[in-house]
Amino acid sequence: KQEVTQIPAALSVPEGENLVLNCSFTDSAIYNLQWFRQDPGKGLTSLLLIQSSQREQTSGRLNASLDKSSGRSTLYIAASQPGDSATYLCAVSQGGSEKLVFGKGTKLTVNP
Amino acid sequence: DAGVTQSPTHLIKTRGQHVTLRCSPISGHKSVSWYQQVLGQGPQFIFQYYEKEERGRGNFPDRFSARQFPNYSSELNVNALLLGDSALYLCASSLFASGGASRETQYFGPGTRLLVL
Repeated sequence: KQEVTQIPAALSVPEGENLVLNCSFTDSAIYNLQWFRQDPGKGLTSLLLIQSSQREQTSGRLNASLDKSSGRSTLYIAASQPGDSATYLCAVSQGGSEKLVFGKGTKLTVNP
Repeated sequence: DAGVTQSPTHLIKTRGQHVTLRCSPISGHKSVSWYQQVLGQGPQFIFQYYEKEERGRGNFPDRFSARQFPNYSSELNVNALLLGDSALYLCASSLFASGGASRETQYFGPGTRLLVL
């Protein structure tokens, strides 16, 4: 059974700091890994999708890496801003359906 | 283009009642998935439908059912509501490739917040 763990559960940083969010998964047989952002009480916004054959993806100040063999992914946020404050979720997909298995998320607070 | 839409946005029900939640996918997307997110947890997969057929089911009781219509919109039905069914219900759509797992991004709607009293 696939399990996804995100560390830390919460993170508070001053504006401008670079930061790393961690995600680990127990079964390396994945098709892809997605990072999402969720604002309080809202739906999920897809940030980055990494296919199992890829090592990293970049979008603006965000960079996500994937090490499938070790079951790990990191989301790097450069020059953090107060608007980055949200919960960040990672999720992996496996064969057969669109089922995503999510971690519990990391709640990020960027202080002005 | 409009994103994934869900209705209603909020709903209050009492134990034992029935509820129907609705989802309209992004135009051109034929796959719809449903997730339940309890406060403080990550979303849990309930169902996936593709071309009106069930393609995946999570570990939820038979009180939960769903269907997909010819226009690819979907309904999630929950019977005999329990207090523990209180959650944010999320719908996601994607360009699912028939016959295999998707390699496409899944797009989520804003969710329906259900409160069972």
